[in-house]
Order: sequence, then C-alpha cells, then structure tokens
Amino acid sequence: QKEVEQDPGPLSVPEGAIVSLNCTYSNSAFQYFMWYRQYSRKGPELLMYTYSSGNKEDGRFTAQVDKSSKYISLFIRDSQPSDSATYLCAMSGHGSGNTGKLIFGQGTTLQVKP
Amino acid sequence: NAGVMQNPRHLVRRRGQEARLRCSPMKGHSHVYWYRQLPEEGLKFMVYLQKENIIDESGMPKERFSAEFPKEGPSILRIQQVVRGDSAAYFCASSPLIGQGGTEAFFGQGTRLTVV
Repeated sequence: QKEVEQDPGPLSVPEGAIVSLNCTYSNSAFQYFMWYRQYSRKGPELLMYTYSSGNKEDGRFTAQVDKSSKYISLFIRDSQPSDSATYLCAMSGHGSGNTGKLIFGQGTTLQVKP
Repeated sequence: NAGVMQNPRHLVRRRGQEARLRCSPMKGHSHVYWYRQLPEEGLKFMVYLQKENIIDESGMPKERFSAEFPKEGPSILRIQQVVRGDSAAYFCASSPLIGQGGTEAFFGQGTRLTVV
C-alpha cells in the first residue's frame, strides 16, 4: 500500500465548475499537507499548505485536512481553463528528526474546458 | 532573485554512459532535495543534502546513483552506467531552513533524462 493515494484522473470539468481533488494517506505522523500544481514539462509550484487539521482558504482555493480520516482535499471554485494542470498532494512529518522530505501522491490531471 | 536553476533541461544518454545533473539552489538556501518523477507517477524523494553533507539518502538506489553538494558550486546528482529505467524527470528543490515540512521548498524546472 502506498503511503499517499491519489486518483490520477483525468478529471474534466466545464469552466466555472467547482473542482474537488482528494488524497488519502496511511502515516499518522504526517503533520504538513501541501498541494502543488504542475504544468506540463514544468516544476511543481506550491499552491498552499496546511499544518495539522483544519481548513485554509486562499482566493479560489480551499484546502481541508481531516486527520481522523487521513483524508485531505483541495477545492477550486470558479475553475478556469488556466487551472488545467496536474495537482499533486504532498505530506511531511514534523519535529526532531524531520528532514522536510515530501511524500507525494501520484497527481490528478485536471482539464477545465472553456 | 533567481529561482532554483537546474541544468541541463534535457539530457540524452546512451545505455552505459554517465549522467550528471546540476542544481543551483535559490540564493540563501543551503538545503537541497532531489526527487525523481517517472512517467505517469508522482515525485519520489531521493536524497536530502546540506552543504558538504548528505543528511538523508533513504530514497537513493543502492547502486550507480550518488549526490553531492559541495561548499562551492551546485549540487550534483550523478548516475553511472545509465539504463533505460533511469529515464525520468529529475527535480531538485531548495530550502532555507532545515526540515520545515517542505513548506519553504521551491522546485526547479527539472532535468529530463532520456536513455537510449
């Protein structure tokens, strides 16, 4: 079983739709939860991160973490064609001994159609 | 302030040759992470280095792969005697602080290695 599971999609939605992207994980030591966006042939770009449980909002993006269920989500409101990319969830531990290395999900490919 | 610079962006090697991938971290960053992305897969951690030290190499294959981050100059990921299975995109990320959960890590554009 992979430490982080993410449905690779592809996910296709019309412009303006609300997009929901999700990951599950198995390691209860994870404390930092990140979402990256990766355009084709580019490096990952950090969208937002959450420490421990809770919600975080940044413009059209909302990240949610449910540690009891080991489940994280990224919601994109009013999706735009420019949001078409691969979205990667990533996780990391915390505290002494934590090196900051990231454990990534497989990535979900999103296409927003005009 | 330039971002994380990786070169070359594309590298073609024949089976059995050596591949050297370079990563110059952002100014002021002294921590470098290397990740590998195989086709249709997420990024896999390979190694974490600070200047002149390998801190965590738990993701590095046991043979043919090595990494360094000298006091001066870029970090180097070296793959000896490449095989077709080494074909992938290799990304480096740099961070100013130790172990900040990856929240301060910035990625380069990657080097795409093709082994023919």
